[in-house]
Amino acid sequence: GQQVMQIPQYQHVQEGEDFTTYCNSSTTLSNIQWYKQRPGGHPVFLIQLVKSGEVKKQKRLTFQFGEAKKNSSLHITATQTTDVGTYFCAGLMDSNYQLIWGAGTKLIIKP
Amino acid sequence: NAGVMQNPRHLVRRRGQEARLRCSPMKGHSHVYWYRQLPEEGLKFMVYLQKENIIDESGMPKERFSAEFPKEGPSILRIQQVVRGDSAAYFCASSPPPDYGGEQYFGPGTRLTVT
Repeated sequence: GQQVMQIPQYQHVQEGEDFTTYCNSSTTLSNIQWYKQRPGGHPVFLIQLVKSGEVKKQKRLTFQFGEAKKNSSLHITATQTTDVGTYFCAGLMDSNYQLIWGAGTKLIIKP
Repeated sequence: NAGVMQNPRHLVRRRGQEARLRCSPMKGHSHVYWYRQLPEEGLKFMVYLQKENIIDESGMPKERFSAEFPKEGPSILRIQQVVRGDSAAYFCASSPPPDYGGEQYFGPGTRLTVT
């Protein structure tokens, strides 16, 4: 079936280091969305990418959508404790209306 | 504009009882989605509804689970004869018309514990 693979499952970083999570789809996406879920909280929408090759920035967060609209990445520069949580991508399949969710990448700041 | 509301926030049920989870979407939103999340796991899509219509229930177990979104009132996710494996966080999300595929706004979730 249609899948969105997200890696890594976990990433441990020292505060101040960078963090990246990647999503890959088996099929072309109409759009891709990114969400953040803090521990014990609910997912919160961060951004939506629609165009091939699109890059969007939100302060220290950079979101990219691949040229073929099958992959995407989220990069956080100089992580802070407030960045802790799980980051999910969700891709809207070109072929139907279903939003397919990645499994999430958990960002953990090493003490 | 109030966000997506879910109640109850926590629900404890004994095996065999029924669980009813309620979701009121954001004002003006006509699309509702239900998700299940086990501890330390991702979101599992269950069902997508519009007012009085189930659009996609491909993620919902065929037995014991049902969902509705009536013309008036909240969306309801109903689990009959709960079992321990139903223990999870259930999130509802809503999105505005007209186009599916826009961002979803999540409620705080209902944490269901089956004892």
